[in-house]
Amino acid sequence: EAGVTQFPSHSVIEKGQTVTLRCDPISGHDNLYWYRRVMGKEIKFLLHFVKESKQDESGMPNNRFLAERTGGTYSTLKVQPAELEDSGVYFCASSQDLNSPLHFGNGTRLTVT
Amino acid sequence: EDQVTQSPEALRLQEGESSSLNCSYTVSGLRGLFWYRQDPGKGPEFLFTLYSAGEEKEKERLKATLTKKESFLHITAPKPEDSATYLCAVQEGEYGNKLVFGAGTILRVKS
Repeated sequence: EAGVTQFPSHSVIEKGQTVTLRCDPISGHDNLYWYRRVMGKEIKFLLHFVKESKQDESGMPNNRFLAERTGGTYSTLKVQPAELEDSGVYFCASSQDLNSPLHFGNGTRLTVT
Repeated sequence: EDQVTQSPEALRLQEGESSSLNCSYTVSGLRGLFWYRQDPGKGPEFLFTLYSAGEEKEKERLKATLTKKESFLHITAPKPEDSATYLCAVQEGEYGNKLVFGAGTILRVKS
């Protein structure tokens, strides 16, 4: 069984540019989550999809962040325009149901210069 | 607001030297407490879920326990390959897998 895959593994962009992160969950997992870890801080929740619907987006920091999951399969997280404080590691996770453990991808390390 | 505090921040052990990591939590109505292992450059890897005080789970050299205020991850006779960051997290809210993570404990086991 393939795990959660994320692309790219690293991204370096300049302040003001746009970046799109992609996540492919484990096949059959309806629940998809985005988390991020900024330098020196704990991993923090961003949002939760159930299939293609946003179930909880309470952790999204502001309207520069847009997450989509068209068709209920892969998900994208777009940051536009990127700011310096957006630098960190963005993790995607999926689970089979609402109480099953999360399976995490290896993350995308985003550096905004 | 739910909070998770892990201690120590870092721990250095000799191979075979048993020890425990602590995770204290403040949550209104615990639904689940999770332990994850994270290696450098990788995502968190699931280890255990604990749901109620008194519960214990074991896997190889690791044993997780839960009380009403904290959880312990006991490492018995560790090996160098047990070196990693160990993360504790609790489910927040009444629904879903919105996890609140602690900062983690960095474990180094020297041979």
